[in-house]
Amino acid sequence: QSALTQPPSVSGSPGQSVTISCTGTSSDVGSYNRVSWYQQPPGTAPKLMIYEVTNRPSGVPDRFSGSKSGNTASLTISGLQAEDEADYYCSSYTSSSTWVFGGGTKVTVV
Amino acid sequence: QVQLVESGGGVVQPGGSLTLSCAASGFTFSSYGMHWVRQAPGKGLEWVAFIRYDGSYQSHADSVKGRFTISRDNSKNTLYLQMNSLRVEDTAVYYCARGLMLRGDFDYWGQGTLVAVSS
Repeated sequence: QSALTQPPSVSGSPGQSVTISCTGTSSDVGSYNRVSWYQQPPGTAPKLMIYEVTNRPSGVPDRFSGSKSGNTASLTISGLQAEDEADYYCSSYTSSSTWVFGGGTKVTVV
Repeated sequence: QVQLVESGGGVVQPGGSLTLSCAASGFTFSSYGMHWVRQAPGKGLEWVAFIRYDGSYQSHADSVKGRFTISRDNSKNTLYLQMNSLRVEDTAVYYCARGLMLRGDFDYWGQGTLVAVSS
């Protein structure tokens, strides 16, 4: 199972919006709504930000939103803040009854 | 509050074995599936294994199949990962994470335990 494809890095100024893409195949992202996103600041454990493509867990700011079209899922951070600097990973359930992560995207607030 | 605490990491020689544990508290452990996820130094996340809430079903990544085994003891609220025939490329921080198979995400994570495979 190959990793999902994410851009290595994205950047934006405070207040701007950034979008991270996550491209899979018809065996994972394209077939299931079990797509989730994780935030990982340096030296810490990952934190769930989005589940089932569009849902935010309690406590996650509504600046974070998710979507999906075909084999590609996306995470958008609106009104970028300095505290949003971190690595972000997408994940999907697969037709092999396994899970796969994306390679990760470093978000920089410039 | 949900707490997951991993233990058992350390330095091991190639070909050796190690068993990781994950102690769970703050929720009904026997009602949730559990995962192991690892992260090699400076690299991304890699899913390792999943076990259903009652232990009746397990799934392992191809990279560890036949060498690693996930298990759980619901009477002790503890998740395990038995790792055999360890390779240098298994060096990573190993996280346990809670997950509902139907929802497909990892909603709570432990802080991780480091496994270093080196001669």
